[in-house]
Amino acid sequence: DAGVIQSPRHEVTEMGQEVTLRCKPISGHNSLFWYRQTMMRGLELLIYFNNNVPIDDSGMPEDRFSAKMPNASFSTLKIQPSEPRDSAVYFCASSPWTGSGYTFGSGTRLTVV
Amino acid sequence: QQQVKQSPQSLIVQKGGISIINCAYENTAFDYFPWYQQFPGKGPALLIAIRPDVSEKKEGRFTISFNKSAKQFSLHIMDSQPGDSATYFCAASGLSGANNLFFGTGTRLTVIP
Repeated sequence: DAGVIQSPRHEVTEMGQEVTLRCKPISGHNSLFWYRQTMMRGLELLIYFNNNVPIDDSGMPEDRFSAKMPNASFSTLKIQPSEPRDSAVYFCASSPWTGSGYTFGSGTRLTVV
Repeated sequence: QQQVKQSPQSLIVQKGGISIINCAYENTAFDYFPWYQQFPGKGPALLIAIRPDVSEKKEGRFTISFNKSAKQFSLHIMDSQPGDSATYFCAASGLSGANNLFFGTGTRLTVIP
């Protein structure tokens, strides 16, 4: 298994631009999570899905953030418009319902200038 | 509100020494307690996990000690090696892990030769 695949690995964009981060979870995993990691705030859960349905999006910081999971093998996190304070590493993780722990992707390092 | 409190924030240990990282939680519904290890530029990776029906779990040089009455758990790294230098996160969730994980703030471990 290739693990959780995220793209792009790095993204540099100008303030105001739309940014889309992508994630392919491990096949067969029922749950998908989006996290943001910064030095100041550590790992923050943004949103998670069970069986493609958003369960808890209370961690999404603002309406500028949105996430979708159109099918079991793909999810996106979109920021529109982006701001410098959105600069962080964004991780996607997936897990099976049986609760054997998360598998994280390698992350997308986002820099908004 | 931080659901899982982790300490210390950073730790420096001599090669061969014992590294100890502590975590505490409040929610008695938590029943799955994993530890994650993160190297720079990588996503967190599951290291070891415990459920509250046992007080200790050992995997190689890594041991989790769990105190249900005190609502505390800790990671012990025996014979610490420079290759163990990483950031360690404790976490907790309910429903035996089939739910979102609440992460601690992380401990940056440095093992000096």
